[in-house]
Formats: sequence, C-alpha cells, structure tokens
Amino acid sequence: GAGVSQTPSNKVTEKGKYVELRCDPISGHTALYWYRQSLGQGPEFLIYFQGTGAADDSGLPNDRFFAVRPEGSVSTLKIQRTERGDSAVYLCASSSPRSGRASQYFGPGTRLTVL
Amino acid sequence: SQQGEEDPQALSIQEGENATMNCSYKTSINNLQWYRQNSGRGLVHLILIRSNEREKHSGRLRVTLDTSKKSSSLLITASRAADTASYFCATDTGANSKLTFGKGITLSVRP
Repeated sequence: GAGVSQTPSNKVTEKGKYVELRCDPISGHTALYWYRQSLGQGPEFLIYFQGTGAADDSGLPNDRFFAVRPEGSVSTLKIQRTERGDSAVYLCASSSPRSGRASQYFGPGTRLTVL
Repeated sequence: SQQGEEDPQALSIQEGENATMNCSYKTSINNLQWYRQNSGRGLVHLILIRSNEREKHSGRLRVTLDTSKKSSSLLITASRAADTASYFCATDTGANSKLTFGKGITLSVRP
C-alpha cells in the first residue's frame, strides 16, 4: 500500500515568509509525528498527534511553529516568519496500534531552505 | 536534545565484511530502534528491540541490547554495496512513543 507522503519535496523561501508543509500518513494510522533534521544530525522530535489533537508539542522550537491535523489524517506544519536557522529536512512519520505504536513509518521529507 | 550517541561516526568496509555499529543512551527506555537513511531523506525502519530483550535477528541484521550499560549494537553481516547509508539508533522512552535519535553513523561499503 501507499506509504507516508510529504509535499513539497523541496521548498525554497525567503527569510520572513510563511510556509506550509504537508504530510499524508498511511491510511488508518492514528498517530502522526513531525521531526526536523539538520545537516549532519539525527532527526529531532517536534510534535505528536493522536487523532486530531496534538498530544505532545514539546519539541516545537518557538511560537513561529504550529501544526494541525483537523480530520485526523493529513497534517500541515506551518512556519511563520521563517529564519535561516529553520533550514532543514522536515520529516513526518505515522504509526498505528496494530503495527505496534513504536514502529514509525517515515515519509521522504521536505527539504526547506530559507534564503 | 539527542539521547543516543552512535559509535563510530563513520565506518568504511569491504563488501562481504561484517559491520558493527554501537549506540549508547542516557535514560531508561521502552525500546530501541535502528533506522537506515539514504541520501539524507526518508528513514527506513530496520529493527526494534524491547527493553526486556537482549538480542534480536532479522535477515542479515543482529541487534543486541544491554540495559545495564545503556548500550546497543547493530551487526550487519556479509555487507553489500547497497548497505551504504547512514544508520541511526533511536530510543523510545514511552512518552507518546516519540523517538530520540543519535547523530548517526555513516557506513560505506566498498565493492
């Protein structure tokens, strides 16, 4: 079946602009995670959704970052007033209780470049 | 913050040799997982070992876990050029199953 998809695959924007990154999880997966990976580092947790609600947003770096999942499926990560330090690959993952909630399936990521 | 720390940071071996990668972590865990990443994009789940397990096998992969030392190792036997990638260990402490990753190991397998 289809895996986790993310759009766009690449996004180049200017400092100060607003961006939206989209994640389509595997159908039926109730848990959805966003991570951010800077060059040469491992992914770092941003936010976790269980269904429609953000169950843990402790990884969001500041209030410029926000994510939604209004219908419990697709999620959008929103970044306001982008800064050069926001440049990274943003990864989305989903999981379901049936697969063992800890087994997360990752999308290909969106590479964000802030000029 | 990153909990896991992999060792070595980079490893270069000949095709057919075994590759051993190590990971240490700091806090108690529910499970530890290993992922592979090609070209800095999507992560592929390789294997999960629970805190009450000591060793697990999957194909050419063997993972061990020593909770007393807070460490794990991943062994890839009979390596292939296609195994060239970055490998990450990730710990699940049970808090919403969010994963904490190490910085990764770059494995190069020479044909």
